[in-house]
Amino acid sequence: QITLKESGPTLVQPTQTLTLTCTFSGFSLSTSGAGVGWIRQPPGKAVEWLAVIYWNDNKRYSPSLRSRLTITKDTSKNQVVLTMTNMDPVDTATYYCAHRRGATDTGGNFGSWGQGTLVTVSS
Amino acid sequence: QSVLTQPPSVSGAPGQRVTISCTGSNSNIGTVYDVHWYQHLPGTAPKLLIYGNNRPSGVPDRFSGSKSGTSASLAITGLQAEDEADYYCQSYDISLSGYVFGTGTKVTVL
Repeated sequence: QITLKESGPTLVQPTQTLTLTCTFSGFSLSTSGAGVGWIRQPPGKAVEWLAVIYWNDNKRYSPSLRSRLTITKDTSKNQVVLTMTNMDPVDTATYYCAHRRGATDTGGNFGSWGQGTLVTVSS
Repeated sequence: QSVLTQPPSVSGAPGQRVTISCTGSNSNIGTVYDVHWYQHLPGTAPKLLIYGNNRPSGVPDRFSGSKSGTSASLAITGLQAEDEADYYCQSYDISLSGYVFGTGTKVTVL
């Protein structure tokens, strides 16, 4: 059974850097094809893909947020960390991490999701 | 700034069939990459409902997906009250080198 859980601050001040950790079980990020992605959903809006990291350490970012995002993995700890710089109130959202299923480091889907963590950006 | 376009809402009576469209382009749905569908109930994590033309274990066969050209559709037959949720399509975009989600569709059971 695959499980994922997001952790990090619930409140961030504008201009600060957000650091979120995804801790997972039930799969290994050293297995060929594996990946972990981050997706967010602002209140009342659609979901938006942010970033993904694959077993081979390749990474992909949303073009509109690329300059602000960094995704890393610690395979030994079964963790993936997402950092987002220069936070703004429009970044208030529920942030999810998810297991990316696929054969290569393109395509695929998000088969299992964490419960999500609401991050509010406010002074 | 969703790349895939869905109708904001669809509705139907219990037992009816409803379809949700997902319109993309030649850089995402129009490629070799599959379209996937998620069901999202308020306060819960999105759930993978359809991947390509397949259903994960436990998903009723009332749900089915299809793709043609640069568009895809999710069909729900025998609509039930428990199907009331938000639904999102998702694919991979070769121009963006990343994943794209749809604008989302709220399904209401009348």
